[in-house]
Amino acid sequence: QKEVEQDPGPLSVPEGAIVSLNCTYSNSAFQYFMWYRQYSRKGPELLMYTYSSGNKEDGRFTAQVDKSSKYISLFIRDSQPSDSATYLCAMSEGQFYFGTGTSLTVIP
Amino acid sequence: GAVVSQHPSRVICKSGTSVKIECRSLDFQATTMFWYRQFPKQSLMLMATSNEGSKATYEQGVEKDKFLINHASLTLSTLTVTSAHPEDSSFYICSANSPGQGGGADTQYFGPGTRLTVL
Repeated sequence: QKEVEQDPGPLSVPEGAIVSLNCTYSNSAFQYFMWYRQYSRKGPELLMYTYSSGNKEDGRFTAQVDKSSKYISLFIRDSQPSDSATYLCAMSEGQFYFGTGTSLTVIP
Repeated sequence: GAVVSQHPSRVICKSGTSVKIECRSLDFQATTMFWYRQFPKQSLMLMATSNEGSKATYEQGVEKDKFLINHASLTLSTLTVTSAHPEDSSFYICSANSPGQGGGADTQYFGPGTRLTVL
């Protein structure tokens, strides 16, 4: 079993939709959770960083961590074509573990 | 946020030549840097972990004699692809570990990547 599982998609939504991206994990020692956004032919950029359970909001983006279910989510409100990218979840207990990434396309 | 640069962004070379890629942390010191490769529409694949002042740790299946890593300073790591062949063509991405603040976790910041094409 992989440490981190992420549905690769692809996910295609109309502009303005709410997008939900998810990852599950198996290691209960993970304390730090991150979401990265990677545009085509570019390196990943850190989007959100959360510690332990709870929600964190930044503009149109909300990161949610449910440690009891070992489940994290990234919500994108009012999605825009510029949000089209691959989204990677990552987790850490010292060592980093990445999901495989979900490819998102927002259609104008 | 922290900035990591990579140079060059794109390189095309002939088979058999060696190519050096630089990774720099611009506004923080990174004792640990990571090197990844990524094939089209696939996830990041960790190649090696680079620690300043010591030998790199390579992932299983990665040839250390082919992919030479040097982490000579707290802000610079280099990856040299020796005797490159067409199958080495890929997108190479580095990341640098930024130490956590106030007891927080370390965070990885990625470079923009280097696209290597071996003819």
